[in-house]
Amino acid sequence: GAVVSQHPSWVICKSGTSVKIECRSLDFQATTMFWYRQFPKQSLMLMATSNEGSKATYEQGVEKDKFLINHASLTLSTLTVTSAHPEDSSFYICSARSSGPYEQYFGPGTRLTVT
Amino acid sequence: QKEVEQDPGPLSVPEGAIVSLNCTYSNSAFQYFMWYRQYSRKGPELLMYTYSSGNKEDGRFTAQVDKSSKYISLFIRDSQPSDSATYLCAMRTAAGNKLTFGGGTRVLVKP
Repeated sequence: GAVVSQHPSWVICKSGTSVKIECRSLDFQATTMFWYRQFPKQSLMLMATSNEGSKATYEQGVEKDKFLINHASLTLSTLTVTSAHPEDSSFYICSARSSGPYEQYFGPGTRLTVT
Repeated sequence: QKEVEQDPGPLSVPEGAIVSLNCTYSNSAFQYFMWYRQYSRKGPELLMYTYSSGNKEDGRFTAQVDKSSKYISLFIRDSQPSDSATYLCAMRTAAGNKLTFGGGTRVLVKP
């Protein structure tokens, strides 16, 4: 299957700082990328959907000014958590979709801990 | 009521047994159905996908979709301890862009 990478895999930051997470599709062009958040023992919660060169579409309840998403190319999307707080600590997973009707591949996830 | 329902488990089986997983859904517009496997602290891995109704087999995995009953299944034959993970069903409409996930079923295969 197609490969999606995320960097970093694990990050600790202090409250009030910003953190950037990168998501790359390594061997295919991603027409759409998705960002999810997952709490322990829970399913994935979609945060936002982005298409290359367009503004991201955020799900209800997700603060767009806090979670900045940039989809600069067909292989790269970034999520920046601005002014992070301990309640932002979570597992963030990106996903990329190719041109097929159902192929959506996930990255390995980034564990964010805000102290 | 959630749009996609999935028993959270855990489902514990002995090695070599058949693992049977299922999801029910309420939106008749769902056309694409997927099963993902997620190990602890890892991203989901796409296992199987099917379009509309029917069966699909890939190695030890068989996926079934019954749209009339709004019910999908995943069977894992000859289960191995390495199959121990959380299995997520996901589905999407033909025109939609977003996947709707079940809550996931935790599976434990005991040696």
